[in-house]
Amino acid sequence: AQKITQTQPGMFVQEKEAVTLDCTYDTSDPSYGLFWYKQPSSGEMIFLIYQGSYDQQNATEGRYSLNFQKARKSANLVISASQLGDSAMYFCAMREAPKLKAAGNKLTFGGGTRVLVKP
Amino acid sequence: DTEVTQTPKHLVMGMTNKKSLKCEQHMGHRAMYWYKQKAKKPPELMFVYSYEKLSINESVPSRFSPECPNSSLLNLHLHALQPEDSALYLCASSQERGYTYEQYFGPGTRLTVT
Repeated sequence: AQKITQTQPGMFVQEKEAVTLDCTYDTSDPSYGLFWYKQPSSGEMIFLIYQGSYDQQNATEGRYSLNFQKARKSANLVISASQLGDSAMYFCAMREAPKLKAAGNKLTFGGGTRVLVKP
Repeated sequence: DTEVTQTPKHLVMGMTNKKSLKCEQHMGHRAMYWYKQKAKKPPELMFVYSYEKLSINESVPSRFSPECPNSSLLNLHLHALQPEDSALYLCASSQERGYTYEQYFGPGTRLTVT
């Protein structure tokens, strides 16, 4: 079953405007973390922002903020004042608490949203 | 320093070749990961090492052989690959425990199998 869903395969945004990228997730575990990564055409995955399931406030990191609605199981990324350098693929990901000691933590990715910022 | 390095950046190999991908981090992370990413798809987890021990193998074919010689290094040995194995191979590292820790990714190795 799909655990992370990003329904927007691609979108355009005007430079200097804000854009919201949707992400919904599915888990029965009360302890989990939600992450957003940016992947430019160069390929490297760049960590943007993190939201923990027990965090009371929405996470913010510079121009990035996360609209966390726990009851709706959504964790949308908001990019304010878009810049040309924001053009990239964006992935939402979830990490559940490990069930086994020293099992490592699996990061499950959504399908991604490609953002193109227009000048 | 939040850098994960990977070498080589690009690799072209024949189906009978043996090659290795290398990954290094100096953040003191005790979990390291290999991902495979096909074009326009999200990364798919292949292996997880935790304290230099293989903890997760996502049913990866044996032509991919991971190795963790020490806490800073991660290798992926390749042998008898198929053209469908052509992809971007990403290495990542993180704190070993805790779902709150982000994974830091390297720039990847673009592999082409001919």
